[in-house]
Amino acid sequence: AQSVTQLGSHVSVSEGALVLLRCNYSSSVPPYLFWYVQYPNQGLQLLLKYTSAATLVKGINGFEAEFKKSETSFHLTKPSAHMSDAAEYFCAVSGPGANSKLTFGKGITLSVRP
Amino acid sequence: KAGVTQTPRYLIKTRGQQVTLSCSPISGHRSVSWYQQTPGQGLQFLFEYFSETQRNKGNFPGRFSGRQFSNSRSEMNVSTLELGDSALYLCASRAEENQPQHFGDGTRLSIL
Repeated sequence: AQSVTQLGSHVSVSEGALVLLRCNYSSSVPPYLFWYVQYPNQGLQLLLKYTSAATLVKGINGFEAEFKKSETSFHLTKPSAHMSDAAEYFCAVSGPGANSKLTFGKGITLSVRP
Repeated sequence: KAGVTQTPRYLIKTRGQQVTLSCSPISGHRSVSWYQQTPGQGLQFLFEYFSETQRNKGNFPGRFSGRQFSNSRSEMNVSTLELGDSALYLCASRAEENQPQHFGDGTRLSIL
């Protein structure tokens, strides 16, 4: 079984500040990990993915995440927040194999203060 | 390349009715998954179809069903609608296993 924990439901940062969104996972098999972003009235957009290659993964819009097996974590970071980053962010885990389903965390709402 | 297309974008139904939602995947994608998103429960997996066969299923009652056609388009049906079925229903497609899923903008279903 797999699960994802995203601590806190809301993070607020100032424009230009570091963004750090935490994600911890639980998986009985080597995980595949994803971060998605959702803007109001839209579907989910893939930010980045980890599928057992490099542990530091770079995504779109300046985001990156580091897979740390020892900490079972996959935290999302961005050095400098922009107003357009305000959205809801979801971490998700799946296992290898065709029959593995994608399990999402509860999501974190990111607010960016001017 | 066109993205995942879901129709309609908005639906209003009353309790007891049934509804059918449609999803057209990205061209070449044979896997289609459906999710329910609500403020209380978050994103919950409904089912996945691959080459017209249901490959995986979440923990939803039998009122929720789906199917996939030979062109990979998928439909989801909910019968005997309940107030709690009000949600954003998202469809996602992917090319192969272990590839990321690509989402449509969803159908927002409101039950009165």
